[in-house]
Amino acid sequence: GAVVSQHPSWVICKSGTSVKIECRSLDFQATTMFWYRQFPKQSLMLMATSNEGSKATYEQGVEKDKFLINHASLTLSTLTVTSAHPEDSSFYICSAEHHSYNEQFFGPGTRLTVL
Amino acid sequence: RKEVEQDPGPFNVPEGATVAFNCTYSNSASQSFFWYRQDCRKEPKLLMSVYSSGNEDGRFTAQLNRASQYISLLIRDSKLSDSATYLCVVNPNKFYFGSGTKLNVKP
Repeated sequence: GAVVSQHPSWVICKSGTSVKIECRSLDFQATTMFWYRQFPKQSLMLMATSNEGSKATYEQGVEKDKFLINHASLTLSTLTVTSAHPEDSSFYICSAEHHSYNEQFFGPGTRLTVL
Repeated sequence: RKEVEQDPGPFNVPEGATVAFNCTYSNSASQSFFWYRQDCRKEPKLLMSVYSSGNEDGRFTAQLNRASQYISLLIRDSKLSDSATYLCVVNPNKFYFGSGTKLNVKP
């Protein structure tokens, strides 16, 4: 159990377009999901905490109007990168908190390349 | 100061070697500690949690030293398949990831 999926696994888009990434907990309900970003050879950096039914909590330096998060159900959170630019190219990973296991389970990640 | 610091490596070891990684953390209030493994271009996967008394899982041993604020991971009898980046994670109130230590196990 405790499987998290992400879609798409990779995406290439033109500068200025918006990209939506989905994160789903497949076999458990997650009131809290997390969105991370990882640049090459760097650590995962938490972008925001997604809370089901309420607004996301963004980390310092992360623009909430650029990275829109919607956690409309207990199994789905979406991250939309609006007006993407080449510097947004990165590996975006979500995780879902499973209270029974007291740990986070990670999705397989989405590799975004903005041309 | 970073929340979590790790030696990036790489650690290049032969098969069968024993290798140890350390990780230091800055928040003394941290309560949960983990080691994750990340393969190239993949998501992190939990390797093991780190308990106060230390814990062992097969060839892997994790230790916590609260006084000095560091955790360690020991890998015995290294296998080629152990080659990966090992991420230290500390959770005072949310997950903080270290930048990872890269391990290359050579034949």
